[in-house]
Amino acid sequence: EIVLTQSPATLSLSPGERATLSCRASQSVSSYLAWYQQKPGQAPRLLIYDASNRATGIPARFSGSGSGTDFTLTISSLEPEDFAVYYCQQRSNSPFTFGPGTKVDIK
Amino acid sequence: QVRLQESGPGLVKPSETLSLTCTVSGGSMRSYYWSWIRQPPGKGLEWIGYIYYSGSTNYNPSLKSRVTISVDTSKNQFSLKLSSVTAADTAVYYCAAGMFYLTNFDYWGQGTLVTVSS
Repeated sequence: EIVLTQSPATLSLSPGERATLSCRASQSVSSYLAWYQQKPGQAPRLLIYDASNRATGIPARFSGSGSGTDFTLTISSLEPEDFAVYYCQQRSNSPFTFGPGTKVDIK
Repeated sequence: QVRLQESGPGLVKPSETLSLTCTVSGGSMRSYYWSWIRQPPGKGLEWIGYIYYSGSTNYNPSLKSRVTISVDTSKNQFSLKLSSVTAADTAVYYCAAGMFYLTNFDYWGQGTLVTVSS
């Protein structure tokens, strides 16, 4: 099973600031990595698939990069609605696994 | 736009079988791989398994011995059965849809909380 680790666990920032979230895989997942956003009481929402492709309707301030074992989600300028938990997920191998999440909260 | 809605009991007794159904609208059952994912309160996400419209399944080995996922394309539904539940199976259970054999999860249901307690 591929283990994903995310850092930091919590990121405290102000609206308008840039957020940089990391996800590392225990072995190469090529570019088969996705990012999800989850707000309290809601289901996760797909933001980025295959490392760098924005899902339908996702604003351009969200971008993804990386390949192999190291990946980054960047939010260029935080909007109030972006404060949430972010998960990465790999689809390189079954079972599909998620990282533990990074919480982006308001400083 | 694919829409998914989970339904089923919110309370299950220990050692019994958890049963949930997901009803799909707005999309063809033949176009996606249909997954179950769970999230214990305050914790992360765990993929349970998926089914294709043909009936082909893929389960997480950590739960494989207790899980059965089935599909009824005539009703646009797929279902989860998890046997011999314990308190550790208490979670929000989501149904989700992904486009690939090795899949992301493009669409999600709202989730349903299942509590295992006597």
